[in-house]
Amino acid sequence: QKEVEQDPGPLSVPEGAIVSLNCTYSNSAFQYFMWYRQYSRKGPELLMYTYSSGNKEDGRFTAQVDKSSKYISLFIRDSQPSDSATYLCAMSSNTGNQFYFGTGTSLTVIP
Amino acid sequence: DAGITQSPRHKVTETGTPVTLRCHQTENHRYMYWYRQDPGHGLRLIHYSYGVKDTDKGEVSDGYSVSRSKTEDFLLTLESATSSQTSVYFCAISSTNTIYFGEGSWLTVV
Repeated sequence: QKEVEQDPGPLSVPEGAIVSLNCTYSNSAFQYFMWYRQYSRKGPELLMYTYSSGNKEDGRFTAQVDKSSKYISLFIRDSQPSDSATYLCAMSSNTGNQFYFGTGTSLTVIP
Repeated sequence: DAGITQSPRHKVTETGTPVTLRCHQTENHRYMYWYRQDPGHGLRLIHYSYGVKDTDKGEVSDGYSVSRSKTEDFLLTLESATSSQTSVYFCAISSTNTIYFGEGSWLTVV
């Protein structure tokens, strides 16, 4: 069993829709949770970073962590064609220097 | 901008030839990483470094070696390139429990 599971999609939504991206994990030691956006032929770009449980909001993006369920989510409100990319989740424990990644979800926002 | 530069950005090489990819950081971070990314597999760790001359293997280290003689530079070497090493390679640095990536090096082995 992989440490981090992420549905690869692809996910296709109309412009303006609310998008929900999710990852599950198995290691209860994970404390730091990240979401990356990766455009085609580019490197992953850090989008959201949260510590432990709870929500964090940044503009149209909300990251949510439920440690009791070992489940994290990224919500995108009012999705735009420029949000079309692959989204990767990542996490690490308190040791802080080993990172575990989902395989990424491909998102297309249709104008 | 995470201050990571990878070179070369694109390379085509022949099977059996040695290849070195370079990663340069301007942030003075202790931890540096090399990943490869392939469809269906996501990001897989090849090697990482936790200081000058301190390196360790990741999950897909066979066929790869690394060196770090200066804090700012981390080299990945394919001693004898094979077609299975055709991939995109990302260098990364970690800081305060998160990780930042370079723009990638696209390698094709023919």
